[in-house]
Amino acid sequence: AQSVAQPEDQVNVAEGNPLTVKCTYSVSGNPYLFWYVQYPNRGLQFLLKYITGDNLVKGSYGFEAEFNKSQTSFHLKKPSALVSDSALYFCAVRPYSGNTPLVFGKGTRLSVIA
Amino acid sequence: EAGVAQSPRYKIIEKRQSVAFWCNPISGHATLYWYQQILGQGPKLLIQFQNNGVVDDSQLPKDRFSAERLKGVDSTLKIQPAKLEDSAVYLCASSLVASGGPWETQYFGPGTRLLVL
Repeated sequence: AQSVAQPEDQVNVAEGNPLTVKCTYSVSGNPYLFWYVQYPNRGLQFLLKYITGDNLVKGSYGFEAEFNKSQTSFHLKKPSALVSDSALYFCAVRPYSGNTPLVFGKGTRLSVIA
Repeated sequence: EAGVAQSPRYKIIEKRQSVAFWCNPISGHATLYWYQQILGQGPKLLIQFQNNGVVDDSQLPKDRFSAERLKGVDSTLKIQPAKLEDSAVYLCASSLVASGGPWETQYFGPGTRLLVL
């Protein structure tokens, strides 16, 4: 069965500094990988996804993520953090084949300090 | 483009009562999902519909949860009777393609926060 690990419950970063939110996955075969963000009292908002091709994926609001097959990782990054980036971030995975559900990590809370 | 709509936004009930949640997906989206998100965890799929047929309900506690999607558009999720452990946020999501392929982006509604006392 597929799984996602987000090893950090909380990430703190100063405004203007680069940020990284880590994600590793386990899946049979090749993965589809997603990042979502959740603001307080709101649903999940799609940021970006990896399907195939270029390992560096660019998404909304200046976020990007790099797929690393050998390390089974899909870390979310942004060159310069904003206070408004403070939110809960979820990584999710589905395998290429079969109709298994999207599996989410437990989330990482990002706090950007002015 | 309007997003996924859900109602109510908040609900407080006592255990053993029943409750229903409503979802209206993005117009034209064929696939609809219901997720349960317990505090401190990521969302977990309860049920997936393609048009008005059930694709996956393997994680739906069928002794107390039920869901339907009449006419392939709106959907309702019901809990009867509710237990304390059902306290969670219930998220509805939809995706465009009828096949519900694993590459498809799911778009989420704001959720219904349920508290069972």
